[in-house]
Formats: sequence, C-alpha cells, structure tokens
Amino acid sequence: KAGVTQTPRYLIKTRGQQVTLSCSPISGHRSVSWYQQTPGQGLQFLFEYFSETQRNKGNFPGRFSGRQFSNSRSEMNVSTLELGDSALYLCASSFNPSNQPQHFGDGTRLSIL
Amino acid sequence: AQSVAQPEDQVNVAEGNPLTVKCTYSVSGNPYLFWYVQYPNRGLQFLLKYITGDNLVKGSYGFEAEFNKSQTSFHLKKPSALVSDSALYFCAVRVVRNSGNTPLVFGKGTRLSVIA
Repeated sequence: KAGVTQTPRYLIKTRGQQVTLSCSPISGHRSVSWYQQTPGQGLQFLFEYFSETQRNKGNFPGRFSGRQFSNSRSEMNVSTLELGDSALYLCASSFNPSNQPQHFGDGTRLSIL
Repeated sequence: AQSVAQPEDQVNVAEGNPLTVKCTYSVSGNPYLFWYVQYPNRGLQFLLKYITGDNLVKGSYGFEAEFNKSQTSFHLKKPSALVSDSALYFCAVRVVRNSGNTPLVFGKGTRLSVIA
C-alpha cells in the first residue's frame, strides 16, 4: 500500500511569490492534515480536512490556505511568500480525524530566498 | 488549550541500556496520546498510541509507553536501546469530543542519541 505522497520534495522560491504544495493520502484515508516544521517553532498545525471540509485551522495568517478534493487529495497554497515561510511542510492522512494515528509523508522542503 | 511538554531536548544512552523519553501533557478532557519518530529528511513515523484501556501500550520496534493520568505523563520507553534508535522523537495529543476534535498538538521533540 503506497504511503502519503507529497510533491514536490524540494522547492526554492523568492519573496513575494506564491507556492502550491500537493499531498496524496494513503488510499482510503479521507482526513488530511498539514503541518509546518521549523527548527525554532517545531511542528505547528496548519489545517485539517475531512471529506472536502476544513475541520480545524491553526493560527497562521490568511496567506496560508488549503483545500481537499473529492478524491481526498489535498493542496496547500502560500501567497506573498516571506523569508520566515522557509520550512518543511508535512502532510498527514488518516481514516478519520479522531483517534486514528496520522501517517505522514516525507514533506516538501520550501526555501525562500 | 492543550499542550505537550518534552522537558529534554537531548537524551543520550548507551547501546543495550534502557531508554526513557519523557512527555507530559495538559488538556481539557480525555487525551488521545501518540508517539512519533523522525529520521533525517523524512516525515514522522507512528510508534504507538494510547486511546483508552491498559495504561501500558506497546508499539513498533520494541517501544512502549505508560499512560499516567495523575501525573499527566506519557513517557516512551524501550528496555534495550539500539544505535538505529537514534532519531528525533515527538509526543502528541488530541482531544476527541462530540462537538469536534481538537487538532493534534506536538511537543518540541527530543533528540535521542544511542552510543555504541
């Protein structure tokens, strides 16, 4: 069974640009969550989607947005990139957003120049 | 608000010795607790979870954790450490309610180094 797939693995952007990251969950998983991981702040929750509906949202500015498609694939978008957006962005999927463990992809490493 | 504390940034242990990685939590309600491990340039791998029932839970790769409600702790343990256990370990918590589940909240992580 294929794991969570995140594309691209690495991305370099400049300030002011926008970026879209993609996540394909494990087959059958309908819940997808996104996290930002930085050395200073650790793992911070961005959003959680279940059946195309945003169920939870973290404390990030409106420049960060996401969506989930009918096939459970998810994308997140960051507009007007800032240097501080440089991070590893992790996607995780589970059957549902409750007591099931989340399974993580290997992330997208975003570097802002 | 829920929170997780991992009081040690770094834990060093000799190969073959027992290891403990500490985690305490703060929630309103019943916690669902998880441990994950992260190797360099990889995502997080699920190790084990506590939902309800027996306070001692066993997980992958010989790891186990003990849920202690009175001390609000969920320490990760392994009887005999391997060099390959060297990695970054995260404790996480969420609360599941009828009104909606809280997001998964992670601790800052503890770097475990097992020395041969």
